[in-house]
Amino acid sequence: GAVVSQHPSRVICKSGTSVKIECRSLDFQATTMFWYRQFPKQSLMLMATSNEGSKATYEQGVEKDKFLINHASLTLSTLTVTSAHPEDSSFYICSARESGGDEKLFFGSGTQLSVL
Amino acid sequence: AQSVTQLGSHVSVSEGALVLLRCNYSSSVPPYLFWYVQYPNQGLQLLLKYTTGATLVKGINGFEAEFKKSETSFHLTKPSAHMSDAAEYFCAVRDGGFKTIFGAGTRLFVKA
Repeated sequence: GAVVSQHPSRVICKSGTSVKIECRSLDFQATTMFWYRQFPKQSLMLMATSNEGSKATYEQGVEKDKFLINHASLTLSTLTVTSAHPEDSSFYICSARESGGDEKLFFGSGTQLSVL
Repeated sequence: AQSVTQLGSHVSVSEGALVLLRCNYSSSVPPYLFWYVQYPNQGLQLLLKYTTGATLVKGINGFEAEFKKSETSFHLTKPSAHMSDAAEYFCAVRDGGFKTIFGAGTRLFVKA
């Protein structure tokens, strides 16, 4: 089956630094990828929709300058948390839609970000 | 706008007992409905989905769900719980643009 690789699985950083999270579709092309954030014991909240070759569409309340999304190729989208603060600590999950495929979405395994 | 409501943030069953996780949705268009399972510190795994056709959908690990349009429900069931079923379960609805809206989740506990 289709696989979405998300890296790193876990990252610890100091406050004020930037962290990049990668989401790769390994065996299919993904014109659209989605980034979610999940706080402990809560549901997934959609942050943004990433389309290859164009600017990401952010959900209301999500700071686009803080959460930079780049979808430079059909197999890679990146989320950069800029000037991270402890309140950014969360579990981030990406999902990818297969180009030309049916209604399937594939999820990455998530990245646990801890900001000290 | 679409939304999903999962009744009960925690459900506890005995091993071998019936599992019933409730999900109600709202959608202005015919919905695509999903159930996902999440184990600690992991991503989401698709259990089953409803798109069109048969309203009773069978998924992996013995789970199934029935789409009831009149009740706007998509409850998840499993006849006999196993210890390995203990996890967080999310019901989700998707629009035509592939934007997926998740419910708040239900944590399933299985007692020996």
